Amino acid sequence: GIQVEQSPPDLILQEGANSTLRCNFSDSVNNLQWFHQNPWGQLINLFYIPSGTKQNGRLSATTVATERYSLLYISSSQTTDSGVYFCAVVRDYKLSFGAGTTVTVRA
Amino acid sequence: KAGVTQTPRYLIKTRGQQVTLSCSPISGHRSVSWYQQTPGQGLQFLFEYFSETQRNKGNFPGRFSGRQFSNSRSEMNVSTLELGDSALYLCASRKAGVYNEQFFGPGTRLTVL
Repeated sequence: GIQVEQSPPDLILQEGANSTLRCNFSDSVNNLQWFHQNPWGQLINLFYIPSGTKQNGRLSATTVATERYSLLYISSSQTTDSGVYFCAVVRDYKLSFGAGTTVTVRA
Repeated sequence: KAGVTQTPRYLIKTRGQQVTLSCSPISGHRSVSWYQQTPGQGLQFLFEYFSETQRNKGNFPGRFSGRQFSNSRSEMNVSTLELGDSALYLCASRKAGVYNEQFFGPGTRLTVL
């Protein structure tokens, strides 16, 4: 099956810092989503981005499908940005997830 | 519009028992998928249903089964529970169309003792 790799596995930031999370995937995909998992376990949709660039407030994402990677940018980080960020790609009706990046933002 | 709902939110069972989890998709969404999340294996796909038909199944033993009703609500069942089945079970729904955005419910946290 398709392999999804996220880096870095852990990220510690000072409040106000910017960061970039990366997602590499091993084959062509039909869809790519970024999620933030809250402390209670729910996956919150951040971006649906099979290609191109999107922005939502302090977050933005870019997917370069031809080169099989996606980037999630967090600018001016806040403590509420802490949590696990997952990238997931769609092939054959299912989402395949990366292992996630755990982000800790310190005040 | 209400989001995906899952019941119950928490469950404690003992080995050998069976369990049924329920998922109600977003209104108008006809596809429901189930995922298992564990610390060791991460998020793994269980199965996907569309119009009461299973379209895809992940690599799980036959003890894991599911179904979808005519109103798109879905249930998954795990029989003969094992300690390793302790996990967060997440349900997701999307509109018809294989590549549409998926939306997740809050999950059911199952603990097997």
